[in-house]
Amino acid sequence: QKEVEQNSGPLSVPEGAIASLNCTYSDRGSQSFFWYRQYSGKSPELIMSIYSNGDKEDGRFTAQLNKASQYVSLLIRDSQPSDSATYLCAVNIENSNYQLIWGAGTKLIIKP
Amino acid sequence: NAGVTQTPKFQVLKTGQSMTLQCAQDMNHNSMYWYRQDPGMGLRLIYYSASEGTTDKGEVPNGYNVSRLNKREFSLRLESAAPSQTSVYFCASSERIAPDTQYFGPGTRLTVL
Repeated sequence: QKEVEQNSGPLSVPEGAIASLNCTYSDRGSQSFFWYRQYSGKSPELIMSIYSNGDKEDGRFTAQLNKASQYVSLLIRDSQPSDSATYLCAVNIENSNYQLIWGAGTKLIIKP
Repeated sequence: NAGVTQTPKFQVLKTGQSMTLQCAQDMNHNSMYWYRQDPGMGLRLIYYSASEGTTDKGEVPNGYNVSRLNKREFSLRLESAAPSQTSVYFCASSERIAPDTQYFGPGTRLTVL
């Protein structure tokens, strides 16, 4: 059973601080990793994708991948109240062209 | 450019009724997907269509059927609704078959009594 695990939260972070979201996965062959943001009552939207070990930065967001330890994380710098949402981690299944396995998400609350 | 659209937004059914959820995309994407999202669980893939003319089962296909009507449209049908199918349903599309960035529609909130 392929799994993606996330702490459900809520994770409460003061405005302006760094929010750190973590995701672990069970399929050692996974090669593609995605972070989506989902506001309450809305649909998921892509924040970042990462495919290689190390860090990938995009504005205030940094994705970090460690395939040996099978985890991927998302850092949000200078957190804003508008970052309050549920963050979903998705990982592809090795040898599957179509299927992503999704974590249940971490609810992030940014306190003004 | 509307992206991915879904109808209806909300629906209440009685056990045993049937209905079709409609999805359309205007991004000229090749691949389309149907997911369900339940509280405390990740998105689960019901069916997908890698390209026009093809459909395949995902993780939880039982109780559902799909039709890829053309490149733009991908519908999901519940033949005999059950309370276990109460969920939020999302349609998504991507330029290529996953893993690729998926763009989601606004969702349909379905309740089966």
